[in-house]
Amino acid sequence: DADVTQTPRNRITKTGKRIMLECSQTKGHDRMYWYRQDPGLGLRLIYYSFDVKDINKGEISDGYSVSRQAQAKFSLSLESAIPNQTALYFCATSDDRTGGRAFFGQGTRLTVV
Amino acid sequence: GENVEQHPSTLSVQEGDSAVIKCTYSDSASNYFPWYKQELGKRPQLIIDIRSNVGEKKDQRIAVTLNKTAKHFSLHITETQPEDSAVYFCAAGGGSNYKLTFGKGTLLTVNP
Repeated sequence: DADVTQTPRNRITKTGKRIMLECSQTKGHDRMYWYRQDPGLGLRLIYYSFDVKDINKGEISDGYSVSRQAQAKFSLSLESAIPNQTALYFCATSDDRTGGRAFFGQGTRLTVV
Repeated sequence: GENVEQHPSTLSVQEGDSAVIKCTYSDSASNYFPWYKQELGKRPQLIIDIRSNVGEKKDQRIAVTLNKTAKHFSLHITETQPEDSAVYFCAAGGGSNYKLTFGKGTLLTVNP
C-alpha cells in the first residue's frame, strides 16, 4: 500500500547537535507537511511544501529548516537542537485528488537531552 | 491566521452512550473540516470530514455537523465502544495549500 514513511522512528540527541528527520512517500502527493505534537497542544505546523521549488513557513518554524529533495522526499532539520524541541514529529501529505485530506506518517519521537 | 478551539479536553462515557466533541474556528475563509482519531502510540487517522457546502455528514456511528454562520462544527459518536477510546482532533483549513490548523485534542475514554 502507498504510505508515508518517517525515519528514524525514535532519536535521542544532545543539545547543540544538528539532526535531520526524513520523510518519504509513495502516495504520489504533491503537498507535504511537517507537524509537531506536544501533549495538550495538538498538532502545530512547522513547514509545508507544494512541490520541489516551494517551501513555506508554518506557525512554529523558528529553529527548524526543511528541504524538499524530490516530490517524494521532505526533510526537517534542527540546526542546533535544544531541549524544548523534544516532541513527536509527524510528516503528512495531501493533494488535489484527496481534496485536502492529509495522510500522516508513523511519527518520529525526538528527545533532546 | 486560523485559530481552532476544541472542547472538552477530556471526555469519559459509558459504553453505549453518545459522545460529542465541539470545535470553533475563527477564519471565515476555512472551508474544509476534518476529524482525526489518534490511538496511543499511533499516527492520526482521518475518520470523517465535511466541507462548507454541507451541513451534516454521517458514516455509521460517526457524524459531523457544521454551522458556518456560527463558525462551529461538532463530532458525534453514537453507541460508543471501548475501541473508540483515543484522542480526537478537529481541524480547519481551506484554499489550495490545504494547510490545516488543529484543535488541541480531546481524550475520549469509553468505560466498559
